[in-house]
Amino acid sequence: EAGVAQSPRYKIIEKRQSVAFWCNPISGHATLYWYQQILGQGPKLLIQFQNNGVVDDSQLPKDRFSAERLKGVDSTLKIQPAKLEDSAVYLCASNIAGGWSAQYFGPGTRLLVL
Amino acid sequence: DAKTTQPPSMDCAEGRAANLPCNHSTISGNEYVYWYRQIHSQGPQYIIHGLKNNETNEMASLIITEDRKSSTLILPHATLRDTAVYYCIVRLNSGNTPLVFGKGTRLSVIA
Repeated sequence: EAGVAQSPRYKIIEKRQSVAFWCNPISGHATLYWYQQILGQGPKLLIQFQNNGVVDDSQLPKDRFSAERLKGVDSTLKIQPAKLEDSAVYLCASNIAGGWSAQYFGPGTRLLVL
Repeated sequence: DAKTTQPPSMDCAEGRAANLPCNHSTISGNEYVYWYRQIHSQGPQYIIHGLKNNETNEMASLIITEDRKSSTLILPHATLRDTAVYYCIVRLNSGNTPLVFGKGTRLSVIA
């Protein structure tokens, strides 16, 4: 079974530039999450999707971050404009909706904002 | 905020059992204890979860105290590949509940 795919793996940009990350969850997983992990800390939820609808985006900085999952499969997370404090690893995870299911994580995208 | 407390770091000799403690004194009756680990430069990986009974799988054992206020993850024969950050998470047993991570315990397995 293929795992959660993310791209790019690494990205370096200057502050005020924009950047986008892509995630392809495990086939059949209706629930998709984006987490932000700052160095030395555990991952923090940014946004959760159920199919193509947003379940929770309360911790997403909406003035600069946006995310979409138009067809209920792939998802894109965008930052515009980026700030220095956005330097982090962005992790995508997915699981089967309903009941119990372990969350499966992708390898993450490491972002450095200069 | 995370509802668990873990030591920041631990060492374990290769081949010995690694016992990772976790305090979750405010856990509610319908919340489960989950353990994930994160190896360097990878995403977190599910290990095991439990409600009140001890659990064992091919990766580890989970011992939950009778009052459910603390638990211990046991890796019976630690190898160098078990070096990682281990996260103890309290969570409702629903596939739609996100994970709330603390800082975890950094386990170093030493040859």
